[in-house]
Amino acid sequence: SQTIHQWPATLVQPVGSPLSLECTVEGTSNPNLYWYRQAAGRGLQLLFYSVGIGQISSEVPQNLSASRPQDRQFILSSKKLLLSDSGFYLCAWSVLSGGGYTFGSGTRLTVV
Amino acid sequence: DAKTTQPPSMDCAEGRAANLPCNHSTISGNEYVYWYRQIHSQGPQYIIHGLKNNETNEMASLIITEDRKSSTLILPHATLRDTAVYYCIVREMDSSYKLIFGSGTRLLVRP
Repeated sequence: SQTIHQWPATLVQPVGSPLSLECTVEGTSNPNLYWYRQAAGRGLQLLFYSVGIGQISSEVPQNLSASRPQDRQFILSSKKLLLSDSGFYLCAWSVLSGGGYTFGSGTRLTVV
Repeated sequence: DAKTTQPPSMDCAEGRAANLPCNHSTISGNEYVYWYRQIHSQGPQYIIHGLKNNETNEMASLIITEDRKSSTLILPHATLRDTAVYYCIVREMDSSYKLIFGSGTRLLVRP
C-alpha cells in the first residue's frame, strides 16, 4: 500500500536559520508531489509541485525552495527563515490517473 | 485562486444529515469536483470526487447539478467526529493535477 512520510512533526527555528523538510512516498512510482503551507487560522496554500525528478514548479514567490532529487523524495528548503515562514507544512502526492491526494501528517514550524 | 464558493460555517445536530453546498459556476467541462476535510491540526482527508454524475461512497454522497455549476456534499448521519473544515475544490486537469484550496466550510456537529 502507498504511504507518505513527513518529518519532523514539529520544529522551532530561529529567524535567519536554514530549513530542510523532507517528504518521502512509498508504494507508488512517478507520483506528482506537492508542498502546501497553512498559516495559523488560514487555508492551505500551494507552494510547489513536481511532476517528475528535478521538475519543480513554484506557485507563489517566497523565501522557500523545493527539490526532488529522487522519484519519491520531495524536499522543502530555506536558506534563511523569516517569521512569516511559520506555519503548518504539508506534503501530498497524487497519481496521474486521478483520484485524490494523500497528505502527510505535516510539520508544524515555528520561527522565533 | 480557488474556483469555488462555500459558506464559511454551518452546524447540524448529531445523527442528522449534513448538507454542505458549493458553487463552482466557472467550472470547465473536464474539471472534476473534489471534496476534502481537515480536522484540526491534521492533514486534509479525501472524501469524494465526481465529474457530472452523483457519487456515493462509505463516507458521503456528492450531488452535482445538471449544469455542473454547483454541488452538495451530504454526510448522511453526522457524528461529532465529522466536525471539521470541509473544502470543495475544482481540480485542474492539466499534468499538474493541482488542488487549489479555498476557505472551506467549518462544520460543527452539535451533540
